[in-house]
Amino acid sequence: DTGVSQDPRHKITKRGQNVTFRCDPISEHNRLYWYRQTLGQGPEFLTYFQNEAQLEKSRLLSDRFSAERPKGSFSTLEIQRTEQGDSAMYLCASSLGGRGDTEAFFGQGTRLTVV
Amino acid sequence: DAKTTQPPSMDCAEGRAANLPCNHSTISGNEYVYWYRQIHSQGPQYIIHGLKNNETNEMASLIITEDRKSSTLILPHATLRDTAVYYCIVRGYNDYKLSFGAGTTVTVRA
Repeated sequence: DTGVSQDPRHKITKRGQNVTFRCDPISEHNRLYWYRQTLGQGPEFLTYFQNEAQLEKSRLLSDRFSAERPKGSFSTLEIQRTEQGDSAMYLCASSLGGRGDTEAFFGQGTRLTVV
Repeated sequence: DAKTTQPPSMDCAEGRAANLPCNHSTISGNEYVYWYRQIHSQGPQYIIHGLKNNETNEMASLIITEDRKSSTLILPHATLRDTAVYYCIVRGYNDYKLSFGAGTTVTVRA
């Protein structure tokens, strides 16, 4: 399977704990994105990487959130001191990059439940 | 911020065409209309996009009005597997992020 893969698919954590999610994009894709989706809503943009450089962070990404993409390959999204409001589906996507970049490919997401 | 308006839900009979409307009255000249869908418990999936001409691929057809203020996604022969939330998104040529609204929940009934 050469699609975008995310790990874990589900995570249940206690409030106050730290969690880390991993995303493996399609191998030749330069761009990588993280989105968050709560129940009944469309995905909301969190952050964007061009290769290893994080070029944009949404104001939704509080200082408890950090994302990395070392060597421009896989990416991790860490949430420190989780809160119940962090419960959501976290989606990763990747695309080729370059002018006219069209299609973004999404992973199946990591569903986080903070109890 | 979403720049599109879609009906919250619609039903369709299996085997019939599904016509999904989208209004984007503030679209500017260099912005494209994109459609994605999200089947339950999966990530969004790209369907089709267009600028001003009608487009067709193996999944769907996209009809954009001449003034570009609205469009219609057509699923020619809906199947039960097409039950999903469909998102209409306006995106600039060099934009990299997608601004999703609430979409249209399409239920295909046997």
